Amino acid sequence: DVKVTQSSRYLVKRTGEKVFLECVQDMDHENMFWYRQDPGLGLRLIYFSYDVKMKEKGDIPEGYSVSREKKERFSLILESASTNQTSMYLCATGANYGYTFGSGTRLTVV
Amino acid sequence: EDQVTQSPEALRLQEGESSSLNCSYTVSGLRGLFWYRQDPGKGPEFLFTLYSAGEEKEKERLKATLTKKESFLHITAPKPEDSATYLCALFTGGATNKLIFGTGTLLAVQP
Repeated sequence: DVKVTQSSRYLVKRTGEKVFLECVQDMDHENMFWYRQDPGLGLRLIYFSYDVKMKEKGDIPEGYSVSREKKERFSLILESASTNQTSMYLCATGANYGYTFGSGTRLTVV
Repeated sequence: EDQVTQSPEALRLQEGESSSLNCSYTVSGLRGLFWYRQDPGKGPEFLFTLYSAGEEKEKERLKATLTKKESFLHITAPKPEDSATYLCALFTGGATNKLIFGTGTLLAVQP
């Protein structure tokens, strides 16, 4: 089974801090994605990557950046955390037969 | 614009009471439709992929079906452990390979 590992389950950060969320997959997939999930809004795509060093903006990229230096690792960066970035962050990988998600990182910005 | 709508938003069933969840969609080119189960505080867990109208997939008490406009997730004789949020997502393929998610149906099965 594909495993997608997110480095932290829970994080509490202060407004203005730079935050790194890490995601690692173990099945050599090319595509990797970062979503955020909020009540009533569902899952929204922040950024995705279809190859090493390649990245594309999703639907809500403002305030975020990403890094993909190695195929298995896709990092989401909050350049200057704000309270409206409090959310559940989900990393995923896969292809047309199905996507696998990590267990999520619940980020609270205070 | 590609869009997916799930209904109902919430559903409460008695144990053993069968029902269906709906996922309606509009898309220019459907490459696949995914169903997920999500437990509170966890990431979505993959259930099924459906690729074309008329296709059906089954897993234990769950059965997913697909038409050209909607997909149903049928739950037969549910148990309390089936309680979760069920999400559907469109896979449109192309250059992005991204998924478009519905907002989910929160299912509660009471003993």
